[in-house]
Order: sequence, then C-alpha cells, then structure tokens
Amino acid sequence: AQSVTQLDSHVSVSEGTPVLLRCNYSSSYSPSLFWYVQHPNKGLQLLLKYTSAATLVKGINGFEAEFKKSETSFHLTKPSAHMSDAAEYFCVVSGTALIFGKGTTLSVSS
Amino acid sequence: DTGVSQDPRHKITKRGQNVTFRCDPISEHNRLYWYRQTLGQGPEFLTYFQNEAQLEKSRLLSDRFSAERPKGSFSTLEIQRTEQGDSAMYLCASSQLAGGERDTQYFGPGTRLTVL
Repeated sequence: AQSVTQLDSHVSVSEGTPVLLRCNYSSSYSPSLFWYVQHPNKGLQLLLKYTSAATLVKGINGFEAEFKKSETSFHLTKPSAHMSDAAEYFCVVSGTALIFGKGTTLSVSS
Repeated sequence: DTGVSQDPRHKITKRGQNVTFRCDPISEHNRLYWYRQTLGQGPEFLTYFQNEAQLEKSRLLSDRFSAERPKGSFSTLEIQRTEQGDSAMYLCASSQLAGGERDTQYFGPGTRLTVL
C-alpha cells in the first residue's frame, strides 16, 4: 500500500525567508511523487512531479523538491518566500489514483 | 487547452434530494477521475474512467453515488438521497495515459456541495 505523511500541518515563515515543507512516503515500488498547491477558492495546481529521472525536481514559482530514497522523503523547498505563496500544499503519491497527504498550510507574514 | 471545467461550482440542497454534477475534462485526455475533499483534509479518490469504462471505485462510493462517462468525454456524478455527511468539495481531474509514462492529473475548480 502507498501513503504519504506530511509532517507539519502548519508552517509559518516571514517573507523573504526559506520555506521547507516536509513529506515522507511509503511505497512498495518506485513511486511517482507530486506536490500540488491549493489557493483559497481555487483548484489544485501541480507544482512539480518526480518520476524516477533526476532526484532534484524543479517546479513552478521557484519551488523544488528532492527525492531521497534512503530517507523515503520528498521535501518541498523554496529559497525565499513570497506573500503569494500562502496556500495549502499537498504531497501526493501516485497509484492508479492519487493518494494525498493531509496538507500543510503555509502562512507568510510581511 | 481550456482546462478541466466543472458545473455547478456551488450547490446547496436539502437532505434527501438528488444532485448531479458535471465534469468536462481536457479534450484529448482519456482518463477522468472523481475525488472528494472535506474541510481540512486532502482529496480522497472516489472513482475513475478510462474512456467510457469505469475501471475502479473506492469503498467511499456508496450505493447512493453513481458516475457515468457515456461517450468517453464529459462525466456526471450523481448523489441520491443526499445526507449531511455528503457535504464536501467534489473534484474532477483528467489525464492522458501515454505509453509507460505515469500520467499527470489536472484538476478542475471543484463543486462545493452543502446539504442542509
């Protein structure tokens, strides 16, 4: 069975500081992993995906994630937070359907 | 590429009524998925279609729920005899399965259902 665990339900950062959203996965085979973002009253948007090519994946809006098999982790990072990054972020593993984590709410203060 | 669209965006109904939602996927996509998202949770898989065939249903999809994709294009999700516990955001996603590559799902804006 596949699953993801998002280690923080809420992360607060100041504008201009780094962002780290943590995700651990469980999969019996080589997984496809994704990060999606959901802004209030908007649909889910794909940030980036890992599909067994490069372990460091670059996404949109300056986000990137590193696949670490030894740690079963797929943490999302951004060097410098912007106010517009405030949203709900979901770590996702793909089986037939997508399996979502519970989400991490990112708050960005000025 | 106009994206995945869903209609209606909001639906308020009384307990016991039937409701139907529509999803129009990205035009060339052969897979269509339905998910449900309750407040404070991540989306949960309900069912998916490849072309017109419904290939998998979650145990979350009770007898009161039915989904169709009659011509392999748009899909409908019907909930009969709605209950207050059905209140949620219903999300549709589509993807194009291409060879051995894992498909990427693109989501619509969702239909928010409130059952009074």
